[in-house]
Amino acid sequence: DTGVSQDPRHKITKRGQNVTFRCDPISEHNRLYWYRQTLGQGPEFLTYFQNEAQLEKSRLLSDRFSAERPKGSFSTLEIQRTEQGDSAMYLCASSRSGRETQYFGPGTRLLVL
Amino acid sequence: GQQLNQSPQSMFIQEGEDVSMNCTSSSIFNTWLWYKQDPGEGPVLLIALYKAGELTSNGRLTAQFGITRKDSFLNISASIPSDVGIYFCAGLDFGNEKLTFGTGTRLTIIP
Repeated sequence: DTGVSQDPRHKITKRGQNVTFRCDPISEHNRLYWYRQTLGQGPEFLTYFQNEAQLEKSRLLSDRFSAERPKGSFSTLEIQRTEQGDSAMYLCASSRSGRETQYFGPGTRLLVL
Repeated sequence: GQQLNQSPQSMFIQEGEDVSMNCTSSSIFNTWLWYKQDPGEGPVLLIALYKAGELTSNGRLTAQFGITRKDSFLNISASIPSDVGIYFCAGLDFGNEKLTFGTGTRLTIIP
């Protein structure tokens, strides 16, 4: 299967710790998106990349959040000094180019204790 | 952040029944997408709509892009147990690459 993959699938951490998530997009997709989904809600946009360039960041992405896509392939999302409010499902999606269908990965569920 | 209005919020139906749900927005979108999400998984694309008035089918699923560009509808015919899950609409507006999602419709099939 060559869909979007995310690692880890689950992460439990203590408040104040740093966490990093990885996303591997569908091969040859130059767009990569990060979304956050809290319980009972639809996903909300965080940021996206065209190749290695980060083109847009939501106001939801506080300065404790940083995302990278150094070689235009996989991406990492780091959360520093985690807070309980960061508990959510973090979803990654990719598309072949801008405004084309976005395909989602299975998500990383984060629980901050 | 902004979320589209989906209705109903939840549905309890019997196997074999048809299902209808819709999604409305206060602003115009140029692409409408329908996704299904199972517990603990990411959304899976069901249908994509690109033109106002477009009616598209995928097996037992049929979706329409509203003529005003502010709404979309999803119908499921002859529901089966694997249809259980949460259905999300998502819109993409011109000049923007971020999806705006609806609040979701949870479908439950009563035995």
